Amino acid sequence: DAGVIQSPRHEVTEMGQEVTLRCKPISGHDYLFWYRQTMMRGLELLIYFNNNVPIDDSGMPEDRFSAKMPNASFSTLKIQPSEPRDSAVYFCASSPGPNHYTDTQYFGPGTRLTVL
Amino acid sequence: GQQVMQIPQYQHVQEGEDFTTYCNSSTTLSNIQWYKQRPGGHPVFLIQLVKSGEVKKQKRLTFQFGEAKKNSSLHITATQTTDVGTYFCAGGDDKIIFGKGTRLHILP
Repeated sequence: DAGVIQSPRHEVTEMGQEVTLRCKPISGHDYLFWYRQTMMRGLELLIYFNNNVPIDDSGMPEDRFSAKMPNASFSTLKIQPSEPRDSAVYFCASSPGPNHYTDTQYFGPGTRLTVL
Repeated sequence: GQQVMQIPQYQHVQEGEDFTTYCNSSTTLSNIQWYKQRPGGHPVFLIQLVKSGEVKKQKRLTFQFGEAKKNSSLHITATQTTDVGTYFCAGGDDKIIFGKGTRLHILP
């Protein structure tokens, strides 16, 4: 298996631009997670999906952030408009289920976002 | 809300010395997981502990889960340069919460 795939690996954009991050989970996994990692705040859970349905989006920082999972093999995290404080590494992870809080999470390589 | 705290935040050790990181939760955990993230990499699962007082070993790594299932530790014996990275604990009752990690630096 190829593991969790994320694209792009690096993104540099200017403040105010829209940014879309993409994730392909491991085939057959029921759960998909989006995390943000910064030096100051560590690894923060933004949102997670179960069978393509958003379950908990309490970690999404504000309305500029949105996430979708139109099917079992694809998810996007969108930031519109982007701001310099959004600069971070964004990880996507998936887990097989049925219990997301006891499953191993498999992380993708991450997208390093820089907003100028 | 539920919190998972890790200490220390950073640790520098001479190669060959031992290393320990501690994880504490504000609530009882159903399980604790440990992950390792190499510099520039992504978190990779190491192990999961489920039972109260459980101890598991992976070569030079020893993992413990506290009797009250509110704390855990990772101990590395005789560190090597390959141990460099950040070690995260993650636990939860109804959702997984990651600690902020302990960054391990090895001095040659």
